Amino acid sequence: DAGVIQSPRHEVTEMGQEVTLRCKPISGHNSLFWYRQTMMRGLELLIYFNNNVPIDDSGMPEDRFSAKMPNASFSTLKIQPSEPRDSAVYFCASSFRDRPVYGYTFGSGTRLTVV
Amino acid sequence: AQSVTQPDIHITVSEGASLELRCNYSYGATPYLFWYVQSPGQGLQLLLKYFSGDTLVQGIKGFEAEFKRSQSSFNLRKPSVHWSDAAEYFCAVGVEYGNKLVFGAGTILRVKS
Repeated sequence: DAGVIQSPRHEVTEMGQEVTLRCKPISGHNSLFWYRQTMMRGLELLIYFNNNVPIDDSGMPEDRFSAKMPNASFSTLKIQPSEPRDSAVYFCASSFRDRPVYGYTFGSGTRLTVV
Repeated sequence: AQSVTQPDIHITVSEGASLELRCNYSYGATPYLFWYVQSPGQGLQLLLKYFSGDTLVQGIKGFEAEFKRSQSSFNLRKPSVHWSDAAEYFCAVGVEYGNKLVFGAGTILRVKS
């Protein structure tokens, strides 16, 4: 299995631009998570999906952030408009079924820089 | 709500020395506990997990962790550290009927030769 695949690996964009981050979970995993990692706040859960349905989006910082999962093999995290404080590493993770006993498998992350 | 504390932000050990990274959790019921490792520029890799049974769990790369309910701890250990173990280590806690993991702030391990 190729693991959780995220794209792009790096993104540099100007303030005010729209940014879309992409994630392909492991085939057969039905839970998907978006995390943000910064020096100041560590790993923060932004949103997670079970069976393509958003379950908890309480970690999404504000309306500029949105996430979708149109099918079991693809998810996007969009920031519009982007701001410098959104600069972080964004991780996607997937899990088999909605039980933490299975653990998460993380992607390699997207390093976002907003200038 | 569950929470995780990793008291040490940085730890430096000599190559070949033993290692213990501390993790304390807060949760009222039996938790699911995990240790992940993150190498620079990489995602998080699962080292080991505990959810029931033997309180001493073995993981990959020679790591082990011991669950101590009385101390609400899940410390990670390795008897002999290798230079390649230099990375950031995260402890995480989950609950049985919920799929959220809460991560600690991480401990950065430096290995000196």
